[in-house]
Amino acid sequence: DAGVIQSPRHEVTEMGQEVTLRCKPISGHDYLFWYRQTMMRGLELLIYFNNNVPIDDSGMPEDRFSAKMPNASFSTLKIQPSEPRDSAVYFCASSSQGGSTEAFFGQGTRLTVV
Amino acid sequence: SQQGEEDPQALSIQEGENATMNCSYKTSINNLQWYRQNSGRGLVHLILIRSNEREKHSGRLRVTLDTSKKSSSLLITASRAADTASYFCATDALNDYKLSFGAGTTVTVRA
Repeated sequence: DAGVIQSPRHEVTEMGQEVTLRCKPISGHDYLFWYRQTMMRGLELLIYFNNNVPIDDSGMPEDRFSAKMPNASFSTLKIQPSEPRDSAVYFCASSSQGGSTEAFFGQGTRLTVV
Repeated sequence: SQQGEEDPQALSIQEGENATMNCSYKTSINNLQWYRQNSGRGLVHLILIRSNEREKHSGRLRVTLDTSKKSSSLLITASRAADTASYFCATDALNDYKLSFGAGTTVTVRA
């Protein structure tokens, strides 16, 4: 398996634009996590899915953020409209049994909103 | 709020020395994990210790867990320049499957 694959690796967009981040988890993993990392706030859990169903989205900062997992091999995190304070590195991770097993992280998407 | 908090925030040591960092957490957990992050990269899993375990070893890594104090420590022995990275603890609380991370310890190993 190629591991968790995120795209794009870098995204620069203008304030107000819609941004879509993509993630392909490791095949067979039932859990998918979206994290945001900034210097100020560290690594924040935004939302996680179990068997494609969102379980906890309490970390999603605002209604501008939404996440979907239409099938076991694909998830998206969308920001609409984007703001400069959304600039961060967004990570996707997957695991077979949630926090009870090792989580595998993608390389992240560095988002810059200007 | 973050479940785990690492201490110290930053650590600078000479190659060959040992590096010790600590993690404290707030609520009862099922497991505690340690991850490493090299600059500009994703996190990589190092070791997992379950709540009924007290100590675990993996190569040059030694992890301890004290559930009564809600704390864990990560020891890296005989450090190398390649160990330069940020280290994070992560926990999953009882009856919860989400994985929450602390703020991390940045370790610099000087050659």
